[in-house]
Amino acid sequence: KAGVTQTPRYLIKTRGQQVTLSCSPISGHRSVSWYQQTPGQGLQFLFEYFSETQRNKGNFPGRFSGRQFSNSRSEMNVSTLELGDSALYLCASRQDPTPEKLFFGSGTQLSVL
Amino acid sequence: GNSVTQMEGPVTLSEEAFLTINCTYTATGYPSLFWYVQYPGEGLQLLLKATKADDKGSNKGFEATYRKETTSFHLEKGSVQVSDSAVYFCALSKETSGSRLTFGEGTQLTVNP
Repeated sequence: KAGVTQTPRYLIKTRGQQVTLSCSPISGHRSVSWYQQTPGQGLQFLFEYFSETQRNKGNFPGRFSGRQFSNSRSEMNVSTLELGDSALYLCASRQDPTPEKLFFGSGTQLSVL
Repeated sequence: GNSVTQMEGPVTLSEEAFLTINCTYTATGYPSLFWYVQYPGEGLQLLLKATKADDKGSNKGFEATYRKETTSFHLEKGSVQVSDSAVYFCALSKETSGSRLTFGEGTQLTVNP
């Protein structure tokens, strides 16, 4: 079974631009969560989608948004990029409603210049 | 709110040394506790978990015991290997927050031959 796939692996943008990251969950998984990882703030929860509905949201500004498609693939979008948005963005999927069954992708490394 | 505090790193050990990484948490009720590991260039992988007080999670020679009285979940391994070099994250979740994980800062472990 293929794991969680995130694309692209690396991304370089400039301030003010917007960016879209993609995540394909493990086949059969209907829940997708997103986390931001930075050296200063560590790992922080962004949001979770389940069956195309946002079910949970972290404390991030409205510039961070996401969506989930009918095939469970998910995208997250960051508009009006700031330097502080530079981070590794991790996607995780699960089938069952138990956190220990979260499977993480390798992440998208976003650099904002 | 919920929080997790890990011992500061980085930690450098020689092969076959004993490892302890301290983790304490703040949360109401009885959260589930986890240790995740992140190898270079990869996403997070669940290492072990415990879901109630006095439970001991174990995997690949690593162990951690859920101590409610000290709100701790320290990670231990009797004899580390070079291949254990990675970043280790302690995390908690509450049923009421779905798959949202609250992570500690992470501890970089380097094992030298």
